[in-house]
Amino acid sequence: DTEVTQTPKHLVMGMTNKKSLKCEQHMGHRAMYWYKQKAKKPPELMFVYSYEKLSINESVPSRFSPECPNSSLLNLHLHALQPEDSALYLCASSQAGQPKAFFGQGTRLTVV
Amino acid sequence: DAKTTQPPSMDCAEGRAANLPCNHSTISGNEYVYWYRQIHSQGPQYIIHGLKNNETNEMASLIITEDRKSSTLILPHATLRDTAVYYCIVRVDNAGNMLTFGGGTRLMVKP
Repeated sequence: DTEVTQTPKHLVMGMTNKKSLKCEQHMGHRAMYWYKQKAKKPPELMFVYSYEKLSINESVPSRFSPECPNSSLLNLHLHALQPEDSALYLCASSQAGQPKAFFGQGTRLTVV
Repeated sequence: DAKTTQPPSMDCAEGRAANLPCNHSTISGNEYVYWYRQIHSQGPQYIIHGLKNNETNEMASLIITEDRKSSTLILPHATLRDTAVYYCIVRVDNAGNMLTFGGGTRLMVKP
């Protein structure tokens, strides 16, 4: 199983809503990531978890709150987002310390 | 990480070889060259990586120049499904997990 599964595939939320994105992998990877991708731009790193601990936060606003409840799951909690946060949110996983990563298909988020 | 430079776009005829160049003139001795691609509206997909020797797998071949300042990803028989953005990334192995994506090359395979 070399899949990274992200749910939901699409999400529309209001600026006052609270929602969560979910990511799951069963490859035994101990590093998991969140990326944000705007249209026609490359993915931008948001967070890195290594062995279930947050190791990198790329100066992401606090309205994005990551959580890694166990080695297979990664969540991204969203609250009070702005329309400019509309983007494709990608989750990835890899062996710890290895740049060979497996990506999910992403959640396309629209903030209205 | 060393900076990479790729042409913004390329065309290739279906069935022909697609040769995608990447310049990484400031690469250091322990940095690997990784290639990923992203088909429209999907997550990036790992293709291949190498240090200094040429590499081949079921998807592509990677040719790295002897001075390691540039490399070429070769798709030997491009199909329409190879239309994607191809990213060349230089990274030190075992020094962290992050992948930093540059602009990439948008490859259009035409019938």
